[in-house]
This record gives sequence, C-alpha cells and structure tokens, in this order.
Amino acid sequence: SQKIEQNSEALNIQEGKTATLTCNYTNYSPAYLQWYRQDPGRGPVFLLLIRENEKEKRKERLKVTFDTTLKQSLFHITASQPADSATYLCALDASGGSYIPTFGRGTSLIVHP
Amino acid sequence: NAGVTQTPKFQVLKTGQSMTLQCAQDMNHEYMSWYRQDPGMGLRLIHYSVGAGITDQGEVPNGYNVSRSTTEDFPLRLLSAAPSQTSVYFCASSPGLAGGGILGQYFGPGTRLTVT
Repeated sequence: SQKIEQNSEALNIQEGKTATLTCNYTNYSPAYLQWYRQDPGRGPVFLLLIRENEKEKRKERLKVTFDTTLKQSLFHITASQPADSATYLCALDASGGSYIPTFGRGTSLIVHP
Repeated sequence: NAGVTQTPKFQVLKTGQSMTLQCAQDMNHEYMSWYRQDPGMGLRLIHYSVGAGITDQGEVPNGYNVSRSTTEDFPLRLLSAAPSQTSVYFCASSPGLAGGGILGQYFGPGTRLTVT
C-alpha cells in the first residue's frame, strides 16, 4: 500500500543549528513533493515544491532535497530560530493526474533558545 | 485578496443533524479540496474539484457531499453527522495546471466541528 512516513517524534534542536526533517514514501511515483509548515490552530502554509527531475531546491534558510531512488526527501532549516518551531508536513501527488497532494502526518520541530 | 475563507470557525452538532461548511477563494484558483485533520492521522483528503462542475472523491468521502457550481465556492455538506466526524476541516485551493504549473496549496483557517 502507499505510505508517506515522517518521524512522529518531535525533533528538538538548539537555536542556530541546522534542523533536518525526513520524508520517506513507498509505492508512489510522485511528479513533485511539497513541504508545508503548520502552527497550532492554523491551516498549513506552503513552503517549497520540488519536482521529480530536481535534486535540490533552496529558499532563504530552507533547503529541500529529493531522491527518487531512495524515495526520500530531506528538509533542512539552517540557522534555526525559536520562531521556526512548528509542525512540518510533506506532501506528494498521488498520481493519476489530479495534482491534489496526499500528506504525511508531519514532524514537530522545537527550537530551543 | 482574502485568500481562502471558511465559515463557521467552530460548530457543535448533535448526531444525525446536517450542515454545510462553507469555503470560498478569491484567487481564481482552478483546484479546490477538503481535508480533515485528526490527532495522529494527519490531513486526509475528503473530496476535491479540478474546476467548476467537476468533483471527485478523496480518501475518506463517506458521509460527505460536495458541489462546485462556481470557481469561487466549494461547500462541504455533512448529510447526517456522526461522532466520528468530529474533526478539524480545512479547505484548500491551488492554481493547478491553469496557473502555469504545479504550485502549492493555499489553506483556509479551518472549521472545528464537534458532533455529540
């Protein structure tokens, strides 16, 4: 069956360090993968999209990699700040051409000052 | 632009009641979708639409109906509420292919529904 796996345990890091979150998937052949941020009580906010033919994408302090052989995406936040504390969701298209993404359960990131 | 708006923000229903969750977007987006989010389950797709007059089922469609008569609006109807439908409901929109490519989804603030 199709699965999107994100670490259910919260990631705790110190301010200034690089946070790395992982998204693994099985039985998908996604054309793209997205990362979102969600704060408590709010809707997810889109951060980055990476396509299947792209290895890496950057936006300010964010970097996403996409390895279709390993079926894995890594999401990095460099020089992390307490304000980066949130839940981060990965999402990928479920194929079939609908381009409506399927979401992982998310990983909570806590950045300690 | 207001983006994606959802009403109501909170709702309490009794088992068996029906109601409609409203969703509207003012970005002329082609694609709209409804998700529910439960603790430990993540976001699950209920129904989606790729344009006015076109809807399709997602992962968990049972007990819900949708219609898309205009580009802007995508209401979600609960036919006969059950306690299992207690959840937070999010509506989202995206430009889709008409936007020149695949872009991320814009989410509304959510509706918190409790069924007793």
